[in-house]
Amino acid sequence: NAGVTQTPKFQVLKTGQSMTLQCAQDMNHNSMYWYRQDPGMGLRLIYYSASEGTTDKGEVPNGYNVSRLNKREFSLRLESAAPSQTSVYFCASTMEYDQPQHFGDGTRLSIL
Amino acid sequence: GENVEQHPSTLSVQEGDSAVIKCTYSDSASNYFPWYKQELGKRPQLIIDIRSNVGEKKDQRIAVTLNKTAKHFSLHITETQPEDSAVYFCAARTQGGSEKLVFGKGTKLTVNP
Repeated sequence: NAGVTQTPKFQVLKTGQSMTLQCAQDMNHNSMYWYRQDPGMGLRLIYYSASEGTTDKGEVPNGYNVSRLNKREFSLRLESAAPSQTSVYFCASTMEYDQPQHFGDGTRLSIL
Repeated sequence: GENVEQHPSTLSVQEGDSAVIKCTYSDSASNYFPWYKQELGKRPQLIIDIRSNVGEKKDQRIAVTLNKTAKHFSLHITETQPEDSAVYFCAARTQGGSEKLVFGKGTKLTVNP
């Protein structure tokens, strides 16, 4: 049972490049989330999907787009990467709102 | 919206001592409060959670208390061990259909042998 799988694990981009971070879960969870983690800032929500077919903005959505491709997959896209988007990105999922969120291993993204 | 404050930001204890981390939240409608442990370079992992219909929950050396009136909750770790060294995050989830967790900024706990 893999849980939450994120790809890639590491990525270096140049300013202005685009890329998509992939996330898939095999726990039949309804809700999925994208967070970014910066030193001293905790985990900040970028976007989330409460259920298949819906997406909503979180605390820091600017510069990002998301797609809930199906119940299993939730991708995060950076259309034009900026150095301020250098961070560790975590995907998470949960079955119901009062159940624990399960996190992936993260994607370490550096933008030069 | 919900706001969660966590204190202290760093905590250093001797092995065998107890550690306490405190969080306050702003939305009285919040009803679910998880705690996550994150070791260096790893994913956050749930260690304990509490719902608003109980005041305390224990799991071996870890306990969480909730004071709904004062809107704060705390993590207590007894008989600390070096492997407890990590960053701990509290979080709160608002009732009313919101699917979001709001996290505190984290506490770096160091347990000295």
